[in-house]
Amino acid sequence: AQKITQTQPGMFVQEKEAVTLDCTYDTSDPSYGLFWYKQPSSGEMIFLIYQGSYDQQNATEGRYSLNFQKARKSANLVISASQLGDSAMYFCAMRESPYGGATNKLIFGTGTLLAVQP
Amino acid sequence: DTAVSQTPKYLVTQMGNDKSIKCEQNLGHDTMYWYKQDSKKFLKIMFSYNNKELIINETVPNRFSPKSPDKAHLNLHINSLELGDSAVYFCASSQRSRDRDRNYGYTFGSGTRLTVV
Repeated sequence: AQKITQTQPGMFVQEKEAVTLDCTYDTSDPSYGLFWYKQPSSGEMIFLIYQGSYDQQNATEGRYSLNFQKARKSANLVISASQLGDSAMYFCAMRESPYGGATNKLIFGTGTLLAVQP
Repeated sequence: DTAVSQTPKYLVTQMGNDKSIKCEQNLGHDTMYWYKQDSKKFLKIMFSYNNKELIINETVPNRFSPKSPDKAHLNLHINSLELGDSAVYFCASSQRSRDRDRNYGYTFGSGTRLTVV
């Protein structure tokens, strides 16, 4: 069965420093997609970054980058130059296949609560 | 324009009542979902519809009944509400595709906080 594991329930980081949020996954599908979402205290789910299993390069979106290590089945999120507004819950998620054909079921990890300190 | 809109945003009701949550998306997506986020923030899929066809039906009590009148709308009706139904319910939409070069992620609504008293 597919599974997403986030082992860090909570983390602190100083403003302007970089932080890595860990995510490991387990799947027997050769094709899958990995996502990170941010959920601030206001509650909405904000898409941050996507990595496809066949993508050769690590995904980057502004201050967010995804450290994708396929052999280790890890997809860590790196936030550079942390800002106070980055304080939120962060979820790693996986989809069965990024290319359709399956149910497009998205499964989530348990989340990491990040607190950015001034 | 809001991409995925859910109503109501807050819902407080008594045990035993029946309530509905509505969801609409204007992204042209063909697939819609209901997720439940519990008090520990864990997100779990409940249902999914693709072009009005039910394609995911997780282990959910049959008091929960989704309805999709068209691919832009997915409603959730809950009968005989129980205390344990208190949670945040998220609607989401996406596009199914075999195009391997594109990110077909989910767009989420802002959530409906259901409190059963």
